[in-house]
Amino acid sequence: GAVVSQHPSRVICKSGTSVKIECRSLDFQATTMFWYRQFPKQSLMLMATSNEGSKATYEQGVEKDKFLINHASLTLSTLTVTSAHPEDSSFYICSARKGALDEQYFGPGTRLTVT
Amino acid sequence: RKEVEQDPGPFNVPEGATVAFNCTYSNSASQSFFWYRQDCRKEPKLLMSVYSSGNEDGRFTAQLNRASQYISLLIRDSKLSDSATYLCVVPASGGSYIPTFGRGTSLIVHP
Repeated sequence: GAVVSQHPSRVICKSGTSVKIECRSLDFQATTMFWYRQFPKQSLMLMATSNEGSKATYEQGVEKDKFLINHASLTLSTLTVTSAHPEDSSFYICSARKGALDEQYFGPGTRLTVT
Repeated sequence: RKEVEQDPGPFNVPEGATVAFNCTYSNSASQSFFWYRQDCRKEPKLLMSVYSSGNEDGRFTAQLNRASQYISLLIRDSKLSDSATYLCVVPASGGSYIPTFGRGTSLIVHP
């Protein structure tokens, strides 16, 4: 299967700071990338859909000014959690997809802890 | 009806058993379907794609029933390593085909 990398895998930051997470599709060009969040023992929650060169589409209840998404190229998307708070602590996972009907491939996730 | 529904389980089966999960979906226009497995504290990994009536890969068989709007996943000869949560994904039709996840079915295979 295709490979998607995500960096960093784990980050601990202080309340009020910003954290940037990178998601890269290593062996294919992704027309669409998705960002998810997952709290312990809960389902994946889609945060936003990102298409290269256009603004991300955020799901209801997700603050676009807090979770900044930049899809700079067909292989790179970044999520910046601005002014992080302890309640933002979660497992953030990205995925990438070639075409609309294709499968998604997930990055290994980033575990964010805000102290 | 929710867009994608799965029985959360857990399904508790002995090694060697055959187990099947169903996933129902509400959008009759959906054209592609996927099964993923997710281990605890890990990302989902693609298990199988289903575009027509079904797909088979070793011990795993996925079947699509368009009339009744469900897909199933059959696991034969269960292994301990099959213990995981199995997620059904159905991209919404039209527009950006946003993937819709079921809540997942938990499988526990015991010795």
